[in-house]
This record gives sequence, structure tokens and C-alpha cells, in this order.
Amino acid sequence: QAVVTQEPSLTVSLGGTVTLTCGSSTGTVTNDHYPYWFQQKPGQAPTTLIYNAINKRPWTPARFSGSLLGGKSVLTLSGAQPDDEAEYYCLLVYNSGFAVFGGGTKLTVL
Amino acid sequence: EVQLVESGGALVQPGGSLRLSCAASGFIFSESGMSWVRQASGKGLQWVSSYSVRDGRALYADSVKGRFTISRDTSKNTLYLQMDSLRVDDTAVYYCLRGGWGTMFDYWGQGALVSVSS
Repeated sequence: QAVVTQEPSLTVSLGGTVTLTCGSSTGTVTNDHYPYWFQQKPGQAPTTLIYNAINKRPWTPARFSGSLLGGKSVLTLSGAQPDDEAEYYCLLVYNSGFAVFGGGTKLTVL
Repeated sequence: EVQLVESGGALVQPGGSLRLSCAASGFIFSESGMSWVRQASGKGLQWVSSYSVRDGRALYADSVKGRFTISRDTSKNTLYLQMDSLRVDDTAVYYCLRGGWGTMFDYWGQGALVSVSS
């Protein structure tokens, strides 16, 4: 089974920019993995931020963006706010439907 | 408004069985793939199973294959997860979500707690 890798933790300054990455043990992450990004705050269910690498949901704040860069899926947060402090998970889809989550990135906003 | 409401979580002994339900509303359930994702306390998210509306397949993570069964009742707009031969390491909050092969993962339920312990 594929392993999806994320940074365990990152810190960003209030108003700053941070990038979270999502890699695959099988090689380059592509659109064929349908990369997703989810945000989860303590005690809450996750919410979907990004799908198919770059697309936002209607509730996704404009300061979040997704891309494919350097063989990975990337979530960029520009202008970090206190409310962005959360755990972020990526998900990749393999072999026509088998989904694998990354271990999550705990984002701290200072 | 899309709503997903899980039920059926409980404390069960190792080796036992449990069925989770997810009542869906606010969208055309019969045309949507659906999935289950779990999260052990203090741990990350783990995909468990998906029903693919694209080709009718039921997909499972290796850790639950042969023990768990995903199904749906389109007349009741309800998704199920039948869990048999439960193990202690199946203890987790189980989330229902809309999405799967052929359907974007987007809406999540609030979760149902399954505890497996003697």
C-alpha cells in the first residue's frame, strides 16, 4: 500500500505564508491521484478545502490555494489567521478508488 | 443543505459486530459515491471503505477487508457499515462522507464513536 507523506508540524507567523506538501511513496503526485486537502480543528469533523489539486469548495477561504509542484501536492496559505491553526490532511487516490491519507500536518499560527 | 448523520456507535467486545448507519439528506443519494473514514483518538484520518457510484464497486482498506461491509439503501437514503470480527484497534470515531471513486469527497458527518474493549 502506498504511503502518503506530510510534514508533521509547521509554524507560520500571523499574516505570513506557509506551504504544506503531500508526497507519495509511489513517485510523482499527479492529477490522476485527485489530491485533496482537509482541515480539522480540535473536536470537530474535518472539512474539505481543496479537491483535484487546485479546486476550492465554496467555503474555502481565498487565502488557501492548491497546486502541484516538485512532484507533490501543495497547499499554500497566504496571510495566515489565528483561525487557521488546525491539523491539515492530504488524501491521494490510487488504483481507481483506493484512498490514502497522509499523516497530517499540525499548523501553528504565532 | 447537505446533511450526514451517523448513528450506531457503541461499546462492543472484541470479536463482536456492529452496524453503523449514515442518514443522508440534501442531495441525490443514489447518484453519489459514499465513504467511511475513521480516526483513533489522537491519531490521523484513515480511509476505511468507499462505495463507487461510477461502477458499483465496494472498496476496502486492507485493515478491514473481509471484516467490514459497506452497503446502502437508496430508498432510505442511508449508508451502512457492517463491522464484524471487531478488534481493539478498530476503536475510533467513524465518519461518513459523501465521496468516492467518481464522486468528489466533500461533505462530512459529525462522526460515531466505536469502542472495542473487553
